[in-house]
Amino acid sequence: GESVGLHLPTLSVQEGDNSIINCAYSNSASDYFIWYKQESGKGPQFIIDIRSNMDKRQGQRVTVLLNKTVKHLSLQIAATQPGDSAVYFCAERLPSGSARQLTFGSGTQLTVLP
Amino acid sequence: DVKVTQSSRYLVKRTGEKVFLECVQDMDHENMFWYRQDPGLGLRLIYFSYDVKMKEKGDIPEGYSVSREKKERFSLILESASTNQTSMYLCASSQSPVGYTFGSGTRLTVV
Repeated sequence: GESVGLHLPTLSVQEGDNSIINCAYSNSASDYFIWYKQESGKGPQFIIDIRSNMDKRQGQRVTVLLNKTVKHLSLQIAATQPGDSAVYFCAERLPSGSARQLTFGSGTQLTVLP
Repeated sequence: DVKVTQSSRYLVKRTGEKVFLECVQDMDHENMFWYRQDPGLGLRLIYFSYDVKMKEKGDIPEGYSVSREKKERFSLILESASTNQTSMYLCASSQSPVGYTFGSGTRLTVV
């Protein structure tokens, strides 16, 4: 079946640098994409989302880019801080009408180096 | 803020035991979900519920059952625990399509 995947399982960046976490999706019918952050010992937390009719959305220090042509989603974190160290998941929503709406990727572990 | 509470952070159970994982949410959400999380596999949906006493299988329901007798509580049951069910279990609830709120997880070890 179709699924959401990630290019790299781990990413290390220097504190203060920008981070880019990538995600590939395969279902062109997905109408909504979400990024979650999971810190060690905690459940995933919502970061930012984007609808399929947009190609960019900005939040506080984070930007999500959507390229529907190549079915690619990315999360950019500006001026990465130690508190950004976590596993980041992308998720896609299929407009199935079911309560079960999100499919999650396997996650990228971001490590911020001092 | 919505709170999703999982009753145990860590559990160790023996093979063959019946195991209950409890999840409670405090915001009157319609939808509740049970996922398991394993390294490299991400979050896999076990079961979900869109109303009291209503449930649907997710991607990996084998070996599990669920119960939702009250709107705020969604229980995951391992009928006869096996070592391949050692995992992190995450409960989530939502009202809107994308407003998933997760609990902190229960790390279950089956020995």
